[in-house]
Amino acid sequence: DQQVKQNSPSLSVQEGRISILNCDYTNSMFDYFLWYKKYPAEGPTFLISISSIKDKNEDGRFTVFLNKSAKHLSLHIVPSQPGDSAVYFCAARLGFGSNTGKLIFGQGTTLQVKP
Amino acid sequence: DAGVIQSPRHEVTEMGQEVTLRCKPISGHNSLFWYRQTMMRGLELLIYFNNNVPIDDSGMPEDRFSAKMPNASFSTLKIQPSEPRDSAVYFCASKVGNEQFFGPGTRLTVL
Repeated sequence: DQQVKQNSPSLSVQEGRISILNCDYTNSMFDYFLWYKKYPAEGPTFLISISSIKDKNEDGRFTVFLNKSAKHLSLHIVPSQPGDSAVYFCAARLGFGSNTGKLIFGQGTTLQVKP
Repeated sequence: DAGVIQSPRHEVTEMGQEVTLRCKPISGHNSLFWYRQTMMRGLELLIYFNNNVPIDDSGMPEDRFSAKMPNASFSTLKIQPSEPRDSAVYFCASKVGNEQFFGPGTRLTVL
């Protein structure tokens, strides 16, 4: 049972344009959402997050949007740069009980930004 | 801070052999996680510890997998006996607050 899904395995955009990465989840008890970025031969690194009580969080070129009614979040990168080319993982946190802190990750989306 | 340290970075072994992956979390972090990354399933949580105590091992695929955390600065993930389907990248992560910090991973190949 995949509670966090990234349905697009890959995305290709032109440098300077907007990249939109999508993520859907099924568990309404998730209280916190994160995006991680991963380069080849490295571990994932934290990029940006959003609490379930908010619908938008912005950090420079990166903005995460949360639509709780649709159980959907997205990551917008504007403008996209070649250095943004990486695998992006969406993650959701269970916010209750003994499993507090446990993250459920999606399968990842490979973003390629073309110069 | 050196970040989360994992060893070895690469491991090639033959089916049936025992494999031990090692992790040193960031000092002061009280939660440690072991993940496995595959193309099909992305990042799967195998097990996590709070204050050296295993909290949730429901992601451990089989009895062939075991994990220990004898102290706050060291953890191991052992596979015995290993099988070709165990080939993957294994990540260790430690946590402070809401954010997990990942190590560079161990790429395991079981022939």
